[in-house]
Amino acid sequence: GIQVEQSPPDLILQEGANSTLRCNFSDSVNNLQWFHQNPWGQLINLFYIPSGTKQNGRLSATTVATERYSLLYISSSQTTDSGVYFCTPGGGADGLTFGKGTHLIIQP
Amino acid sequence: SQTIHQWPATLVQPVGSPLSLECTVEGTSNPNLYWYRQAAGRGLQLLFYSVGIGQISSEVPQNLSASRPQDRQFILSSKKLLLSDSGFYLCAWNGPLRYNSPLHFGNGTRLTVT
Repeated sequence: GIQVEQSPPDLILQEGANSTLRCNFSDSVNNLQWFHQNPWGQLINLFYIPSGTKQNGRLSATTVATERYSLLYISSSQTTDSGVYFCTPGGGADGLTFGKGTHLIIQP
Repeated sequence: SQTIHQWPATLVQPVGSPLSLECTVEGTSNPNLYWYRQAAGRGLQLLFYSVGIGQISSEVPQNLSASRPQDRQFILSSKKLLLSDSGFYLCAWNGPLRYNSPLHFGNGTRLTVT
């Protein structure tokens, strides 16, 4: 099945900083989705982005399917951005595989 | 619009007791349904998925089972809980295409087996 690797595993930043989270996948995929899990455990859809670039406020994402990676950019970080960020590439024989996530802490 | 409901939000059960977690989806038909478990605060493990009524696929052999008695209802069960069943259980849906539709999660059930 498809292997998913997210980096960095942990990230601590000061409020206002920018960050880039990466998701690498081992095979061709049909879609790519980014989630934010807040401190209460809710998984919030951020982007559904099989290819190209999308932006939503301070967040943007880019997927380069031919090179098997996706990037999530967070600008001007706020404490509410803290949590765990997951990507899932979908596709493949084992379906919707998740990466282990990036644990982001934004300090005031 | 589509919504997904999952209950209960939290549950504390003794070892050896049965379990039933329920998930329902509104506003869509014939969704693909999923049960995930998250242990130790990180990492989502796919437990079961279903592409239709009565059709269940298991990703990980274990003490749990799933059923889909109606199109938009997905149930996670156990006859006898183990301590290792503790965790955060999440129901999700997508559709109509399993691999080309965004995934949507419920709010989860936090299960503690004592």
